[in-house]
Amino acid sequence: NAGVTQTPKFQVLKTGQSMTLQCAQDMNHEYMSWYRQDPGMGLRLIHYSVGAGITDQGEVPNGYNVSRSTTEDFPLRLLSAAPSQTSVYFCASSGQANTGELFFGEGSRLTVL
Amino acid sequence: SQQGEEDPQALSIQEGENATMNCSYKTSINNLQWYRQNSGRGLVHLILIRSNEREKHSGRLRVTLDTSKKSSSLLITASRAADTASYFCATGRYKLSFGAGTTVTVRA
Repeated sequence: NAGVTQTPKFQVLKTGQSMTLQCAQDMNHEYMSWYRQDPGMGLRLIHYSVGAGITDQGEVPNGYNVSRSTTEDFPLRLLSAAPSQTSVYFCASSGQANTGELFFGEGSRLTVL
Repeated sequence: SQQGEEDPQALSIQEGENATMNCSYKTSINNLQWYRQNSGRGLVHLILIRSNEREKHSGRLRVTLDTSKKSSSLLITASRAADTASYFCATGRYKLSFGAGTTVTVRA
């Protein structure tokens, strides 16, 4: 099993550009989520999903869109990138949404110029 | 907003020593989790302690939970260089909330 796979690992964007961070898991987990990690601030939840077709907002959802058309995939879309979205993004999944451990991807480092 | 906050922010110890870090949280919980993050990597789950548990062990890890004080501690015994990492506590259901972490450096 590959676990949680994120692509790309690194990306540089110009302000106003759009892009999609991909996340895929092969553990048949119903729960998936996206976090961003900024220095000194820990991880902040952007969006999460408890199953295909179901998504909800986290703590910092503005500027990001998600969809969940399959159990395996949970892409994160940046609609119009801003320098404030420069961060490391982590995708995570869990087999027990309300109590269980999260399995994290290796992260996608995004720089917005 | 962050539910958990770790203390201290950073910790430097000699190999073989114990490392203790604390986590305080604000609202009642069902469980509390601890994660480790090596530099440049994703987080890895270490241990989960439920609200009705006071102490839990996993290998060289010992976690305590005091719900009356809304706090938890993580003890790493006989530390090794490989324990150098950031450690995070996390609470919540569906919306897991992480603290800012404790960075532990183990000196050889």
